[in-house]
Amino acid sequence: ELKVEQNPLFLSMQEGKNYTIYCNYSTTSDRLYWYRQDPGKSLESLFVLLSNGAVKQEGRLMASLDTKARLSTLHITAAVHDLSATYFCAVDRTGTASKLTFGTGTRLQVTL
Amino acid sequence: EAGVAQSPRYKIIEKRQSVAFWCNPISGHATLYWYQQILGQGPKLLIQFQNNGVVDDSQLPKDRFSAERLKGVDSTLKIQPAKLEDSAVYLCASSGRLAGSYNEQFFGPGTRLTVL
Repeated sequence: ELKVEQNPLFLSMQEGKNYTIYCNYSTTSDRLYWYRQDPGKSLESLFVLLSNGAVKQEGRLMASLDTKARLSTLHITAAVHDLSATYFCAVDRTGTASKLTFGTGTRLQVTL
Repeated sequence: EAGVAQSPRYKIIEKRQSVAFWCNPISGHATLYWYQQILGQGPKLLIQFQNNGVVDDSQLPKDRFSAERLKGVDSTLKIQPAKLEDSAVYLCASSGRLAGSYNEQFFGPGTRLTVL
């Protein structure tokens, strides 16, 4: 059974600071997704990582994938309050991008 | 392009009652998913449809949950009878590619179910 673990589960950080969220998974997969969820809202796709070594950046967020280590990271640079949300990674179990197993989520709170 | 639509947005029922949720996917998307998201957890797949056929329902509690997608477009998810532990947000997602290729899922706003 595929297990997807994120850490930390909760992160409180000050504006302007940098931090990294980690996503570890238990079986081989070449595809990993990062989603953002605001309170009471649905999931918004942030990044799709399709191969080993993939790196994608959007604004203050950068995601990377190391399939050999079964690890993805979401790096936050110079955090701002608007980034406060819960972030989920999701691993494609089948390689066909059709069966996602989600991590537990990391709740990020950026304080002034 | 219109997104995934779901209704109702909120529902409160008592245990042992029945409830139904509706989802309309993005136009042209062949694959439709229903997820259950319990508070503080990530979404868990309940059922996946490809057009009007079920691809995976291995995690659907079939004694009380049922889902259909009769015309290969919109879908309903039903719970009968509901239990307290069914309190969750039910998310619908759709994707437009066939299995075997890159296939990003787009999520609807969800239905928040509270069972008292």
